[in-house]
Parts: sequence; C-alpha cells; structure tokens
Amino acid sequence: SQQGEEDPQALSIQEGENATMNCSYKTSINNLQWYRQNSGRGLVHLILIRSNEREKHSGRLRVTLDTSKKSSSLLITASRAADTASYFCAPVSGYSTLTFGKGTMLLVSP
Amino acid sequence: DTEVTQTPKHLVMGMTNKKSLKCEQHMGHRAMYWYKQKAKKPPELMFVYSYEKLSINESVPSRFSPECPNSSLLNLHLHALQPEDSALYLCASSQPTGNSHYEQYFGPGTRLTVT
Repeated sequence: SQQGEEDPQALSIQEGENATMNCSYKTSINNLQWYRQNSGRGLVHLILIRSNEREKHSGRLRVTLDTSKKSSSLLITASRAADTASYFCAPVSGYSTLTFGKGTMLLVSP
Repeated sequence: DTEVTQTPKHLVMGMTNKKSLKCEQHMGHRAMYWYKQKAKKPPELMFVYSYEKLSINESVPSRFSPECPNSSLLNLHLHALQPEDSALYLCASSQPTGNSHYEQYFGPGTRLTVT
C-alpha cells in the first residue's frame, strides 16, 4: 500500500470561501479516495475517483485526478463551519489496503 | 443500513485487565478492519479480515487479539495493555470486489485509556 501526502497540513478560511487541498502519491493507482474526520470521530468516505476518471462531483465537493502528475485535489465550495475537520486522501493500488497520510486540517470560521 | 456500530464508546482499563471491543455491520460487507489512531495522527491499520479470515496483521503485538465470529461481527480482545496503547480504535468495513478495496465505512470508534 502507498501513503498519500496531503498539502497543506492546515488551512484556515472564512465561511463561504472555497477550500482546496491537494494529495500527491508515488506509484500508479486503481483509485483514490478522500475521507473526512471530525474531531475524535470515525472517518467518513467522501468520494472515490477511479484512475480513468479526471473529475468527479458530489454536492459541494469536486475532486480532480491527474495521473500523469500523480496528484489529486479536493475542492470544497462555499465552506461552512460544519466542514471543519481533517481530510485524508488514500491512493489505492491493486489489492492494497488504505494508508492514510497526515491529512489536511481545515478550520472554517463563521 | 449504512452504519458501523462500535461498543463501548469509551473504555478505561488497567494494565492487568482483559476487555473486548466490539464492531458490527449489517451491510453485507465481507472485509472488516481494525485501525488505531493516536491523537493528531492518521489512523494506522492493525488487522484486516476478508471473508471472516485474518488476511493482514500489521505486526501488531499479541496483547491485541482480533476475532471475526461471523460476517457481521468483529471483536478486538485486549489483554495486558500498556499506557501507550491508549488511543481511538476504529472499526471499518468494505465490500472487497475485483482487485481493489473500495470505500470503507467507519464506526465512531472506541476511545481507550489504559491506566
């Protein structure tokens, strides 16, 4: 399994602004997954994007995948205070399990 | 039902105690996982069960003993733990299909404190 590396490590924005976080990985993947974790709680699966997809949307979330650059980005539009959480990416290759990077801590202030 | 439940929510145990963490899902998933998460760190995989058989043990100390009695239940038996084992223990499940694990559904976790 390989670990994604999220960037930035921390992001602080105001409600209503957009938040963008990035994920880089090292080897080819079958899919890449994004998860959210509110403080001290379980992780919630947000989006899975397959290696043959370039962009995927889910509500206010937009994920892109550039396999040539081995990178992905997660955009949250019109952020809300409830979006405050840690966000993790998990690149998945073959039969590998999920390995989480250090994540991006997003703080959305009212 | 897309929920993974974990009991108890909180557990305080002494180093000589024996306790168990429980996890249950009714989504028909055939892969179940235990993760350990220390404060301000990402979750770290401990064990994977696939079709009720232990498929991955990430070199976890023997004081942690997993058990998968059936496809819906996953237990983690704890014995002679150390204070450094205090952490949030997360259970997850997924449906392994094809050649890649797909999205995992996580429970809310058990906050374990070893005194």
